[in-house]
Amino acid sequence: AQRVTQPEKLLSVFKGAPVELKCNYSYSGSPELFWYVQYSRQRLQLLLRHISRESIKGFTADLNKGETSFHLKKPFAQEEDSAMYYCAPPSWGKLQFGAGTQVVVTP
Amino acid sequence: GAVVSQHPSWVICKSGTSVKIECRSLDFQATTMFWYRQFPKQSLMLMATSNEGSKATYEQGVEKDKFLINHASLTLSTLTVTSAHPEDSSFYICSARVPGLNTEAFFGQGTRLTVV
Repeated sequence: AQRVTQPEKLLSVFKGAPVELKCNYSYSGSPELFWYVQYSRQRLQLLLRHISRESIKGFTADLNKGETSFHLKKPFAQEEDSAMYYCAPPSWGKLQFGAGTQVVVTP
Repeated sequence: GAVVSQHPSWVICKSGTSVKIECRSLDFQATTMFWYRQFPKQSLMLMATSNEGSKATYEQGVEKDKFLINHASLTLSTLTVTSAHPEDSSFYICSARVPGLNTEAFFGQGTRLTVV
């Protein structure tokens, strides 16, 4: 089945350290993937989308067709980045998430 | 901007009763909405895809007679938990995509259901 997978359930990093959240996909071609974030006691919200190639809150993600990955990266983690992150499939498919990755940034 | 509003934010009900949760898209029309269940510190589990004017599509293992979904208009989908039991206690979330190509989804604030 076509899906996105996030192999890491928990990432614990120190403030100022780089952080990378892994996302792999099984779609063909160049799927337009998304990253969503859920901060504590807040609703899910869009973090960034592949098509825009924007850097949001210092995060970037690049589609690697060779590795079928869409990893999320930030060079210097901040405490406010502590949240649950979800890689999401293209908008033409059903919005089914993987396991998500909990990021904990410690001072 | 686009907003998805869920109501109620929390509800407590007795075992055996039914509870209805509403999901509304504000400022946009949503032909498709999604319903999720989220357990503490876990990912969102897709329960069903709600399609305006037609039957919902349920994920494997989700009882359609227990979780009734109605999507009667382009801005409203409802999830009714029928004959609720304590094991149905959970956090339920809805989402809707803005129509168009490569569009993002917006999420409701969630509904905390407690069945006593």
